[in-house]
Amino acid sequence: DAGITQSPRHKVTETGTPVTLRCHQTENHRYMYWYRQDPGHGLRLIHYSYGVKDTDKGEVSDGYSVSRSKTEDFLLTLESATSSQTSVYFCAISGRGSSLETGELFFGEGSRLTVL
Amino acid sequence: GDSVTQMEGPVTLSEEAFLTINCTYTATGYPSLFWYVQYPGEGLQLLLKATKADDKGSNKGFEATYRKETTSFHLEKGSVQVSDSAVYFCALSGSSGGSYIPTFGRGTSLIVHP
Repeated sequence: DAGITQSPRHKVTETGTPVTLRCHQTENHRYMYWYRQDPGHGLRLIHYSYGVKDTDKGEVSDGYSVSRSKTEDFLLTLESATSSQTSVYFCAISGRGSSLETGELFFGEGSRLTVL
Repeated sequence: GDSVTQMEGPVTLSEEAFLTINCTYTATGYPSLFWYVQYPGEGLQLLLKATKADDKGSNKGFEATYRKETTSFHLEKGSVQVSDSAVYFCALSGSSGGSYIPTFGRGTSLIVHP
């Protein structure tokens, strides 16, 4: 168990509303990532963090922002949700122990977001 | 940049059949290679890994060998079970001196029938 939890696990919201997903880790990993998973697209990186207050964009960052004010938490915010952001969102962590050398990721169980 | 190509699915097999899921990669340097598995309704979890050429990763009856000469990391299992039904992702990381942005294939769905 890599000690990673996502909340909420399920959310239904309406177009135009703000949404924040939280990823919390208890293992002191340096790197944290947000992915979205959609049929036919596999996993796509939204944003990642390489330390407190250090974040960068992934391949599908438009419409998303992130924040990491402490090691344990990485927040993903949709400022104004759209139907195209309906997806399953996964948080992942890496960068402690053997994963610091290999880049192995540990994933959360996912947050299913539906934007109506 | 780095890329991972894996066979498209779904792969449909009968129980006890032999499984191969092909994976090839393009990367600079010497990446680590991974297979992740995603069971229905769950997140991805590491199935096996290999960190240098000719290494063989193995777990739960699955194997994959890091072949640098063919830039491949094919996943194999001698006898699949219904419980192996899942989506399998090939991935690489660390190809450029410490880059921690992993590259994933698109995933291959495996369906095993009794």
